[in-house]
Amino acid sequence: QVQLQESGPGLVKPSETLSLTCTVSGGSFNNYYWSWIRQPPGKGLEWIGYISYSGTTYYNPSLERRVTISLDTSENQFSLKLGSVTAADTAVYYCARYSGTWVVFDYWGQGTLVAVSS
Amino acid sequence: LVLTQSPATLSLSPGERATLSCRASQSVSTYLGWYQQKPGQAPRLLIYDASKRATGIPARFRGSGSGTAFTLTISSLEPEDFAVYYCQQRSSGGGAPLTFGGGTKVEIK
Repeated sequence: QVQLQESGPGLVKPSETLSLTCTVSGGSFNNYYWSWIRQPPGKGLEWIGYISYSGTTYYNPSLERRVTISLDTSENQFSLKLGSVTAADTAVYYCARYSGTWVVFDYWGQGTLVAVSS
Repeated sequence: LVLTQSPATLSLSPGERATLSCRASQSVSTYLGWYQQKPGQAPRLLIYDASKRATGIPARFRGSGSGTAFTLTISSLEPEDFAVYYCQQRSSGGGAPLTFGGGTKVEIK
C-alpha cells in the first residue's frame, strides 16, 4: 500500500519561500509522476506541478515562475519550493502520486496547512 | 482546458440517486477522473478513464461519458457519500496542465 506524508513549516512569512517535503513509502518511484496540489480554505483544488521518476518537471503555468519540485529517490522523498509567497498562497498542500497512463492522482497524502502571515 | 461541474450543490436524501455532471471545454477522450472529498480529508480517487472504478470503490458509483460530457452517478446514496466531488483532466500535449472542476457538493436534504 502506497503511503505519502507531507512535512514542513505550517507558517511562512510573506515574500519568503514555502518548503515542503513528501515522504513516500510502500511503492517505487518508477513509472509514476510525483505531484503537488493545493486547496485554499473553502475552495477547490489547484494542481501545482509534478516531477517524473526520471526528474523531468512540469508546472502549472500560473505558478511556474515561483515553483521548484525536486526528487530524492535515495530518501524516498520529493519536495516543493514556492517562492515570494503572499497570503493568496495560504492553503492545504497535498502531495500525490500521478499516473500518466490514466491521467489521475491515485494516492494522496493527508495534506498540510500552510499559512502565509507575518 | 476548463472543466465545468454542475450543479454546484445537490440536496438529496439517503437512498436517492445522485447525478453529477462535468463538461470539458475541449474533447478529452475518456481521460477523466472523479474524486470524493470529505471535510478535513484528502480527495480520494473514485473513477478513472471516465468509467473504471478505482480499487475498493463500491459498485453504486458509476462513471460515464466521453469527449466533452461526463457523468458520475451514485445509484443510491449512503450516509457516507455526502461529500464534495471533483472531476479532473489534463489538456492535450505532453506536459500540459492538469485541471480540476470546481466541484459539486452533495448535501443531505
